[in-house]
This record gives sequence, structure tokens and C-alpha cells, in this order.
Amino acid sequence: QVELVESGGGVVQPGTSLRLSCAASGFSFSDYGMHWVRQAPGKGLEWVAVTSSDATKRYYAESVKGRFSIYKDNLKNTLYLYMGGLRTEDTAVYYCAKDLRVAATTATTYGMDVWGQGTTVTVSS
Amino acid sequence: ETALTQSPASISATPGDHVTISCRASQDIDDDVNWYRQKPGEAPVLIIEEGKTLAPGISARFSGSGYGTDFTLTIDNFDSDDAANYFCLQHDSFPLSFGQGTKVGIK
Repeated sequence: QVELVESGGGVVQPGTSLRLSCAASGFSFSDYGMHWVRQAPGKGLEWVAVTSSDATKRYYAESVKGRFSIYKDNLKNTLYLYMGGLRTEDTAVYYCAKDLRVAATTATTYGMDVWGQGTTVTVSS
Repeated sequence: ETALTQSPASISATPGDHVTISCRASQDIDDDVNWYRQKPGEAPVLIIEEGKTLAPGISARFSGSGYGTDFTLTIDNFDSDDAANYFCLQHDSFPLSFGQGTKVGIK
């Protein structure tokens, strides 16, 4: 079955960088776009970024644009999120999620169906 | 950017109740809305896609409706296991956005 396993979270200081990973299995990874979504403690869900199935198109939330970068390695079946210039407000559980279906174009998304269990990032001095 | 406004923020239901949650978009988004359920400490689970299509494995007590700017998630014959937070998501345009969530508790 489809499985997504995130890793790489931890406690870091403001201004530093961190790389999250998401190992995918159970589906044809190269056929699907992939998302990162985060949830601050006690808060709702915030969409962070998406990459197209072939990794040629990437879109970001305004709150992370210029600081975060999403990358999809179709040879390793792994999704990454490079986070730079971390701020205290980036503290959250970060989920990776698979797009619901194979997209008609690289600029299309149908939202998420399967989610990982999440990895926690805490930004604190 | 498309903003989603969910209401109510919280609701308490008795088993057997009919529960409705609203999600209003700031602009026309066709039927590009999904609904998710999230229990404490767990990842979200897809329950409705494209406004009204039930996701695989989800109870038929859940249904979705709406088009354009106004969408509704309905839970028929509420069960105590349905107690959770519910979120709508629009995937019509980037950046994607979620509603603020509705906490459904047991009365």
C-alpha cells in the first residue's frame, strides 16, 4: 500500500537551515505531484509547497517563498524540503502528501490523498 | 489568492444527529474542494474529493455538496467515532489554501 515516511525534523535556532525528507513507496512516485503541508501547534493546516510529477514546476506559499525549496528525486522515490532562514513561526509538524491523481498538466493539482505521519520542526533560541 | 472561510468553528453533536459544516470561498473555484478529517495526533485523512465524491473506504454517512463559492460537508447519523477536526481545501489555484477547521465534538 501507499506509504510516506518523513524524517529530518528537530530543534534548530532561528536563522539556520534544515532539510526534511519523505520516503515514498507503494505507488509510481514519478507519476504524481507531491506536497508539503504544515501544522503549527494547536493550529490548522497550512499548505507549504508542491512539485509536479517530473519536478519541473514548483509552487510555494507566500510565507515560505524565497526561503524554502521543494525537490523531488524520482530515482530515489524521495521528496525533500530545504528550509533556510528559519523563523520561530516555522515551528510545526511537517507532512508530506501525495497528489490525489496523475495530473493532466504539470501545472495541475487535485489536492492530497495519502499523508505521511509528519516530522516535527521546532525553531527556538 | 483564494481564502476559505469555514463555519462553525466548533460544534457538539449527539450520536444520531445530522451535522453540517460550511466552507465559503472568496472567489469561484468550480468544484475544486476536498474535505479532510483529522483526529488528535494523527495525519489528515481525505473524506471527500471534487466537492462531492466520497473517498475510498469512507462511510456513506459522509457527503459533500456545493459548487462555485459555497460548499457543505454533511455527516448523517453522527457516530462518536466521527469526533474530529474537519478541514476544507481548495486546489483550484495556487497557492492552495485550507479553511480554518471545524472541531466536531460529542455532546
